[in-house]
Amino acid sequence: AQSVTQLDSQVPVFEEAPVELRCNYSSSVSVYLFWYVQYPNQGLQLLLKYLSGSTLVKGINGFEAEFNKSQTSFHLRKPSVHISDTAEYFCAAQSINTDKLIFGTGTRLQVFP
Amino acid sequence: EADIYQTPRYLVIGTGKKITLECSQTMGHDKMYWYQQDPGMELHLIHYSYGVNSTEKGDLSSESTVSRIRTEHFPLTLESARPSHTSQYLCASSEYQTSGGADEQFFGPGTRLTVL
Repeated sequence: AQSVTQLDSQVPVFEEAPVELRCNYSSSVSVYLFWYVQYPNQGLQLLLKYLSGSTLVKGINGFEAEFNKSQTSFHLRKPSVHISDTAEYFCAAQSINTDKLIFGTGTRLQVFP
Repeated sequence: EADIYQTPRYLVIGTGKKITLECSQTMGHDKMYWYQQDPGMELHLIHYSYGVNSTEKGDLSSESTVSRIRTEHFPLTLESARPSHTSQYLCASSEYQTSGGADEQFFGPGTRLTVL
């Protein structure tokens, strides 16, 4: 991948509301796509990944993402968020002809009671 | 339990000091990485290794150096710390994939370095 863009630096949302975190990538070849979550003072934890096959990918903690090749997007969604989902979320892409992960700048999800 | 560890978690140090950030993994992974992370910025790859005695510079120029004498250990050293080195440093590891394979990386908890 040549670049990964996360359009929203911060997303505030109330508890139990749905949320979508946007991610777009650019690449001249096929890619693998990842979403990672980073809780305060911790490292990154893999939420989900798209390698091939079904474009709808389900991950941990009730998150899912949909790969859209025509729009070069991989948006992350959750139908009902919890306070504990407050964290930084990073989208990442790897072109199939390299082994380098390219990260977006992250989206801070803030869930309010 | 297989995991990846980083020590120290937090370090405050004066300018000019030599420091080593430790990273160890128990997953038997061949590939290891060091990233630098600043608030509101993407993770920048500064070093990586494909295995013992293999080290490569990443996309972001860094004054740090690394070594890989054992599979499980990938320390990062700054010979003379400066305030511009203040950042969060994340270590990661992954299994070696043949060409075309996905590189799922596992991350340590990070070291937050402050150089005064």
